[in-house]
Amino acid sequence: QVHLVESGGGVVQPGGSLRLSCGASGFIFSDSGMHWVRQAPGKGLEWVTFITYDGSNKYYADSVKGRFTISRDNSKSTVNLHMNSLRPEDTAIYFCARGGTSGPVENWGQGTLVTVSS
Amino acid sequence: DIVMTQSPDSLTASLGERATINCKSSQSVLYSSNNKNYLAWYQQKPGQPPKLLIYWASTRESGVPDRFSGSGSGTDFTLTINSLQAEDVAVYYCQQYYSTPYNFGQGTKLEIK
Repeated sequence: QVHLVESGGGVVQPGGSLRLSCGASGFIFSDSGMHWVRQAPGKGLEWVTFITYDGSNKYYADSVKGRFTISRDNSKSTVNLHMNSLRPEDTAIYFCARGGTSGPVENWGQGTLVTVSS
Repeated sequence: DIVMTQSPDSLTASLGERATINCKSSQSVLYSSNNKNYLAWYQQKPGQPPKLLIYWASTRESGVPDRFSGSGSGTDFTLTINSLQAEDVAVYYCQQYYSTPYNFGQGTKLEIK
């Protein structure tokens, strides 16, 4: 059974940084691409970033490009999201999710809440 | 970027009825080399993460009731829910995975009368 558990959320001031982590189990992590998708309070889903199974390719939404960095450690079955220069509009639940390149998002974690506020 | 637009934004239907949600992409998500539409549908119930329902526009995910079906090709897609049940109350999203950014539609909120 696929299990994705996010951690690292919290309250941060505008301009600050935060690192989210996602631990994965129940599937061959090194064969799977991984996404981060976010959802602002009461709003819809926004795709944020994707990393291929081997970490060789990374893709970002324009809204986070240059500020967020996705990375993975296949030896630990974890994927991380480093978030810099945070803005109030980055406030959201951040979901870690599994999916292939050019494939649907197959599995989702429960999410971790990031609040950017002074 | 491919923009995904759903209609309606909200929908109220009765138990046992059929609900239809539409999704339109700003450009085709049909890949000609394999004749597949790179389009998925997700269901999100309150307080829960989304759940994959349909992929390749019409393939039902394992375990999803056959009351849920997807159709369409190119730029126009439909999610149909037959014989509505109380547990179908949720927000439904379409998403294209043809090219990054893998944009979602704005969501359609389904309520039961």
